[in-house]
Amino acid sequence: AQSVAQPEDQVNVAEGNPLTVKCTYSVSGNPYLFWYVQYPNRGLQFLLKYITGDNLVKGSYGFEAEFNKSQTSFHLKKPSALVSDSALYFCAVRDMGTGRRALTFGSGTRLQVQP
Amino acid sequence: DTGVSQDPRHKITKRGQNVTFRCDPISEHNRLYWYRQTLGQGPEFLTYFQNEAQLEKSRLLSDRFSAERPKGSFSTLEIQRTEQGDSAMYLCASSLEGGTHLDEQYFGPGTRLTVT
Repeated sequence: AQSVAQPEDQVNVAEGNPLTVKCTYSVSGNPYLFWYVQYPNRGLQFLLKYITGDNLVKGSYGFEAEFNKSQTSFHLKKPSALVSDSALYFCAVRDMGTGRRALTFGSGTRLQVQP
Repeated sequence: DTGVSQDPRHKITKRGQNVTFRCDPISEHNRLYWYRQTLGQGPEFLTYFQNEAQLEKSRLLSDRFSAERPKGSFSTLEIQRTEQGDSAMYLCASSLEGGTHLDEQYFGPGTRLTVT
């Protein structure tokens, strides 16, 4: 069965500093990996995805993520955090080995950027 | 592009009543998904449609839950004989079948259900 772990409930970072939000996954086949962000009272917004190719993928709002197959990780990163990045971040995986379309989400990591 | 819309945004119902939610996907998207999200958790998959065909159902989708997408456009999710454990945010998402946006699911704002 596919699963996602986000080991940190909350990440605190000062504005202007780099940020990392961690994600590890477990699948039987090859993974499709996604990051979504949820702002208060708003729906989930797509940030970026990894399907194949370059292990470093770039997405919206200056975010990027690095796919590491050996460590089964897909950590979200940003070189310089903004206060407006404060939100709830979800990692998700689709297991291509099953042929299913369902995404499995992690439990989320709350990012707090302090001014 | 008006995005994915869901109606109603909030629903309060008494235990044992039936409720129905509607989702209108992005117009050119042929794939539609329903998820459920409870406080402090990530969304959990419920079911998936490609056009009007319901192709996947989670074991979370008990026999009290039914979803339809009769013309391959909007979808409805009905919960019969609601229970307090059904209280959650119900999310709808849609995606394209191919192209550069393959598998990118775009979510609506959700319907928050409270069962009293």
